[in-house]
Amino acid sequence: QKEVEQNSGPLSVPEGAIASLNCTYSDRGSQSFFWYRQYSGKSPELIMSIYSNGDKEDGRFTAQLNKASQYVSLLIRDSQPSDSATYLCAVKASGGSYIPTFGRGTSLIVHP
Amino acid sequence: GAGVSQSPSNKVTEKGKDVELRCDPISGHTALYWYRQRLGQGLEFLIYFQGNSAPDKSGLPSDRFSAERTGESVSTLTIQRTQQEDSAVYLCASSPDGPLPYGYTFGSGTRLTVV
Repeated sequence: QKEVEQNSGPLSVPEGAIASLNCTYSDRGSQSFFWYRQYSGKSPELIMSIYSNGDKEDGRFTAQLNKASQYVSLLIRDSQPSDSATYLCAVKASGGSYIPTFGRGTSLIVHP
Repeated sequence: GAGVSQSPSNKVTEKGKDVELRCDPISGHTALYWYRQRLGQGLEFLIYFQGNSAPDKSGLPSDRFSAERTGESVSTLTIQRTQQEDSAVYLCASSPDGPLPYGYTFGSGTRLTVV
C-alpha cells in the first residue's frame, strides 16, 4: 500500500513569514513529486514538481526532495494571506503505473 | 481546449437515479484520471485511462461505478442507482503521462448531490 502522509494542520503563520509544509511517502521507488494548492471549493492547482534530490525554486516557492529520507517539503517565503489554502502532496508511483497518490493535504492559514 | 473541461458543474439527483459525468481532457494528454473528493476529505482515486490500454479500475468503490474513454478523447463516469454516500465532488485530471514529472491538470469538477 503506497502511502503519502501530511500533517493536516492547520498551519498558521503570520504574513511575511516562511511557511514550511512537509510530506513523507512510503514507496522508495517513487520518481516524481508534486505540490498542489487547493482553495476552498476549487480544484487542485499544480504549483511545483520535483524529481531530483535537492532544492527547486520558483518565485516564492521552494520544493525540497530527500529520497534517502523519503520526504518532500514545500517552503513558501514571504507568505501572503492569498496563500491560505490546502496544500496537497502527490507522488508518482514507480514502475509501469503512473497513478499519483495524493496526501490528504495540509491546511495553511496566513494571518495579516 | 486550453484546460480540462468537466460537465455538468453541479448535479442534484434523487437517490436511485443514474448520473453521467463528462470530462474533456487537454488535447494530446494520453492519461486521464478520475478522483472523488468528499467534503473536507482528500482525493480518492477512482480510475485511470492511458491511451488505448485497458483502464486501471482498481479505485472504483462498487460495481455501480463505471467509466469509458474512447482513445484519447472524452471520458464519461457513470454512477448507477446513486446513493447518498456518492455525494462528493468528482474531479477529472489529464496528463501527458510517462515517467517524467509531468503534472496533472485538474478540471473544475462536478459537484454531485444525491438527495
